[in-house]
Amino acid sequence: GAVVSQHPSRVICKSGTSVKIECRSLDFQATTMFWYRQFPKQSLMLMATSNEGSKATYEQGVEKDKFLINHASLTLSTLTVTSAHPEDSSFYICSARIPSTDTQYFGPGTRLTVL
Amino acid sequence: GQQVMQIPQYQHVQEGEDFTTYCNSSTTLSNIQWYKQRPGGHPVFLIQLVKSGEVKKQKRLTFQFGEAKKNSSLHITATQTTDVGTYFCAGGNDYKLSFGAGTTVTVRA
Repeated sequence: GAVVSQHPSRVICKSGTSVKIECRSLDFQATTMFWYRQFPKQSLMLMATSNEGSKATYEQGVEKDKFLINHASLTLSTLTVTSAHPEDSSFYICSARIPSTDTQYFGPGTRLTVL
Repeated sequence: GQQVMQIPQYQHVQEGEDFTTYCNSSTTLSNIQWYKQRPGGHPVFLIQLVKSGEVKKQKRLTFQFGEAKKNSSLHITATQTTDVGTYFCAGGNDYKLSFGAGTTVTVRA
């Protein structure tokens, strides 16, 4: 299957700092990538849809100024958690959609801990 | 908005037994996808069903899409310890996925 990488895999930061997470599709071009958040033992919650060359589409209740998304190329999307707080601690997972299909391949996730 | 319900939330299975997890959507889906997430891991794509009434098999796993394209099931036969994990169904529409809550499977040897 298609390969999606995510970096970093784990990050610990102080409250008030910003953290950038990268999502890359390694062997295909992804015009659309998705960012999810997963709390322990819970399902994946879609945060936003990232479209190459255009603004991201955020789901209801997700603060776009808090979670900045940039999809500058067909293989890279970034999520920046700005002014992180402890309640932002979570597992963030990106996925990339195979063009012309609905199939999404997921990255390995980033575990963010805000102290 | 679209909601996808999945039951049961937990499934404790004796090794060698069969089990089924069910998925229901509040709206008609263009497709349904199934993912498996191992403890500490990320969701891994298993399969996508597109056609009404479609049935697909992967070794001991049988996936079914309902006639109305609003429900789906995953049936695992002869459960093995390698089947441990959380199985998510995800309803697809407009290229977005709505995930069910997942069924977390544990296996008794």
